[in-house]
Amino acid sequence: DAGVTQSPTHLIKTRGQQVTLRCSPKSGHDTVSWYQQALGQGPQFIFQYYEEEERQRGNFPDRFSGHQFPNYSSELNVNALLLGDSALYLCASSLGQGGGNSPLHFGNGTRLTVT
Amino acid sequence: GENVEQHPSTLSVQEGDSAVIKCTYSDSASNYFPWYKQELGKGPQLIIDIRSNVGEKKDQRIAVTLNKTAKHFSLHITETQPEDSAVYFCAPLGGDDMRFGAGTRLTVKP
Repeated sequence: DAGVTQSPTHLIKTRGQQVTLRCSPKSGHDTVSWYQQALGQGPQFIFQYYEEEERQRGNFPDRFSGHQFPNYSSELNVNALLLGDSALYLCASSLGQGGGNSPLHFGNGTRLTVT
Repeated sequence: GENVEQHPSTLSVQEGDSAVIKCTYSDSASNYFPWYKQELGKGPQLIIDIRSNVGEKKDQRIAVTLNKTAKHFSLHITETQPEDSAVYFCAPLGGDDMRFGAGTRLTVKP
């Protein structure tokens, strides 16, 4: 039973560039959430996708956008990268839409460094 | 929105001792109370959760207790082992908020 997989594992980008991160949910899960985790801090909620639509969004600017595909996999796009976007980006999958009342299964994240 | 606070931020115990981490939240609509463990280089992993119709849940050496009136829930680890060393996060959920606490770094000394 495959868990949540994220790619790439590490990425280095230059300020102003754009980046796309990818996530495949755990088998049987239909909901994908994205989190940003700065060093030494807790994960910060970016947004959640269910049925290919953004259902909930945290306090992140429009530079952060996403997509969910019919096979439930998801992408996170960040435009006009800033140095402060450097962080670990975590994808979590779960079953069923909602305010998060079901367990989240996390991938091991993508470490993004912006120089 | 939900305000979530975890205490302590760091905790060091001797192997075999117990550890307790407390999470305080503000949203009375919260009805799901999970704890996640994050090891170095990995994503958070759910270790135990509780729903608002239950006051306590135990799974071997790990337990979670919930006080909805006071809006806090706690993680209890008994007979700690070196492999329990990690960062622990609470993430009380309900309504539209999905916030994690800032984390507690637990170190278990052999």
